[in-house]
Amino acid sequence: KAGVTQTPRYLIKTRGQQVTLSCSPISGHRSVSWYQQTPGQGLQFLFEYFSETQRNKGNFPGRFSGRQFSNSRSEMNVSTLELGDSALYLCASSLSPGTERKRYGYTFGSGTRLTVV
Amino acid sequence: AQSVTQLGSHVSVSEGALVLLRCNYSSSVPPYLFWYVQYPNQGLQLLLKYTSAATLVKGINGFEAEFKKSETSFHLTKPSAHMSDAAEYFCAVSATGNQFYFGTGTSLTVIP
Repeated sequence: KAGVTQTPRYLIKTRGQQVTLSCSPISGHRSVSWYQQTPGQGLQFLFEYFSETQRNKGNFPGRFSGRQFSNSRSEMNVSTLELGDSALYLCASSLSPGTERKRYGYTFGSGTRLTVV
Repeated sequence: AQSVTQLGSHVSVSEGALVLLRCNYSSSVPPYLFWYVQYPNQGLQLLLKYTSAATLVKGINGFEAEFKKSETSFHLTKPSAHMSDAAEYFCAVSATGNQFYFGTGTSLTVIP
């Protein structure tokens, strides 16, 4: 069974540009969550998608957005990049947002390392 | 409100020594608790989870954790550290609602 696949693994972008990151969840998993990981802030929840609908959103500015497709694949987009957006972006999938996730936990991808220069 | 606190952002142990990583949680309802491990430039991997069954939970790579309600703790232990255990470890709680709340992580160094 393939794991959670995130592409690309590494990205270098310039301030002001925009970027799109992709996540393919485990087959059969319909919930995808995104986290930002930085040394100073740890893991911070960005948003969650289930059945192509955003279910939860963390405390991030509107420059951060996402979407989910009918095959459960998800993308997140960051516009007008700032230096502080440099981070490891992690995608995590689960069967659903509810009891199954509490029972089984998340499965994480290897992340996309974004560097903004 | 629910949260976890990991005591000690850095822990060093000698190879073969006991590993003890501390996690205390806050929750108004019975929680689900998790430990994840992260190796450099990788995502998080589930080590073990507590889901209200046995209070002593065994995970992968010889790790185990004990849920202690009276102490609101879920500390992670391993009897004998191995060099390959060097990594970042995260405790997480999920209780009310569907979100997970992660601790700030503990970096484990194993000294040969």
